[in-house]
Amino acid sequence: SQELEQSPQSLIVQEGKNLTINCTSSKTLYGLYWYKQKYGEGLIFLMMLQKGGEEKSHEKITAKLDEKKQQSSLHITASQPSHAGIYLCGVYGGATNKLIFGTGTLLAVQP
Amino acid sequence: DAGITQSPRHKVTETGTPVTLRCHQTENHRYMYWYRQDPGHGLRLIHYSYGVKDTDKGEVSDGYSVSRSKTEDFLLTLESATSSQTSVYFCAIRGSTDTQYFGPGTRLTVL
Repeated sequence: SQELEQSPQSLIVQEGKNLTINCTSSKTLYGLYWYKQKYGEGLIFLMMLQKGGEEKSHEKITAKLDEKKQQSSLHITASQPSHAGIYLCGVYGGATNKLIFGTGTLLAVQP
Repeated sequence: DAGITQSPRHKVTETGTPVTLRCHQTENHRYMYWYRQDPGHGLRLIHYSYGVKDTDKGEVSDGYSVSRSKTEDFLLTLESATSSQTSVYFCAIRGSTDTQYFGPGTRLTVL
């Protein structure tokens, strides 16, 4: 079955700094979803990447899909306290209708 | 916002009692999902539905049943709650581009 490993597991950055979160798949990536979750809340959909080389941006967050590396990266520019939370990548696994999630990255942004 | 609500948002119950959680959507999406989220385990799929009266099991379905008699409602029932079912439960719908959108969650405590 497909597995997604995220790195780093946790990250503390100063406000205003840039950061990158990686999601590496054990199998070929055909599409990938990024979500953010604040403590005690539901998952918020950020972006979907459908094909290799694709890059999407929303506000200060940019996601890229590198199918050769079987990896996606999420880059935050000029981080703010509002960016704090858990970031999760997800893919649909095999023949099921199930979203498989990565191990998660906990981001803290210090003012 | 995909128009997903969950009720109740918080519930405390005793071991052995039946519990029903409700997920309601307003946009006629065909697929609906129930997940549980636990520290160290991430999000795990309990059951999902691909239409009215069409449901299937996920990876942690033991002790849970579901029903979907209307497109807009997907019910999750714990027939006899156990302490191991203490968790946060999330409902999700599958929208365009197969993106899953999540509800706000239900925090269930079984004493």
